[in-house]
Amino acid sequence: EAQVTQNPRYLITVTGKKLTVTCSQNMNHEYMSWYRQDPGLGLRQIYYSMNVEVTDKGDVPEGYKVSRKEKRNFPLILESPSPNQTSLYFCASSDRDRGYNEQFFGPGTRLTVL
Amino acid sequence: AQSVTQLDSHVSVSEGTPVLLRCNYSSSYSPSLFWYVQHPNKGLQLLLKYTSAATLVKGINGFEAEFKKSETSFHLTKPSAHMSDAAEYFCVVSDRSFGNEKLTFGTGTRLTIIP
Repeated sequence: EAQVTQNPRYLITVTGKKLTVTCSQNMNHEYMSWYRQDPGLGLRQIYYSMNVEVTDKGDVPEGYKVSRKEKRNFPLILESPSPNQTSLYFCASSDRDRGYNEQFFGPGTRLTVL
Repeated sequence: AQSVTQLDSHVSVSEGTPVLLRCNYSSSYSPSLFWYVQHPNKGLQLLLKYTSAATLVKGINGFEAEFKKSETSFHLTKPSAHMSDAAEYFCVVSDRSFGNEKLTFGTGTRLTIIP
């Protein structure tokens, strides 16, 4: 089954404790992206990657890092999480055949930073 | 710069009655427009997509949307609401710039279906 998976689905942590949210897709998509969803704000892009070893900032990259060492994986790293990063996070992927704009989304990771 | 405005944050309709979710967009170029749906505790799923072909776009689960350039609108409709349609709906505009396929999301419309 074609899908985007994220782990963990739920995470409660404390300020300053480094964490990684994993994202993996099995569709051989070149393009992957991370979004955060906050009430009343819709989804906002954090980082995106057009292919392996190619990443760039989205609209709200502060406090986040990403890497793209393999085509299927695109982890989101929070080096020193803060309470304002409490949010619902989505990973998405797409490919050239879809013009990169028809994106497949993972199930989401709900992060709480205390 | 591109943007979308969803005119209603919450819409309630009775089961079996029509659904109308309103979206206006702003884009410098001929836009690609989408509607995504998010069911509770689920990821987002593409409902339908407009990319400068037919202005009336049909999607999954009986939904459709009409692109009206003169009104800069892309409203989502369904003739008869079903209980399973209860979800949050996002209008999205796409713009390709600097190599990034950037999706700009509206703030969402929560659809409630009254039995």
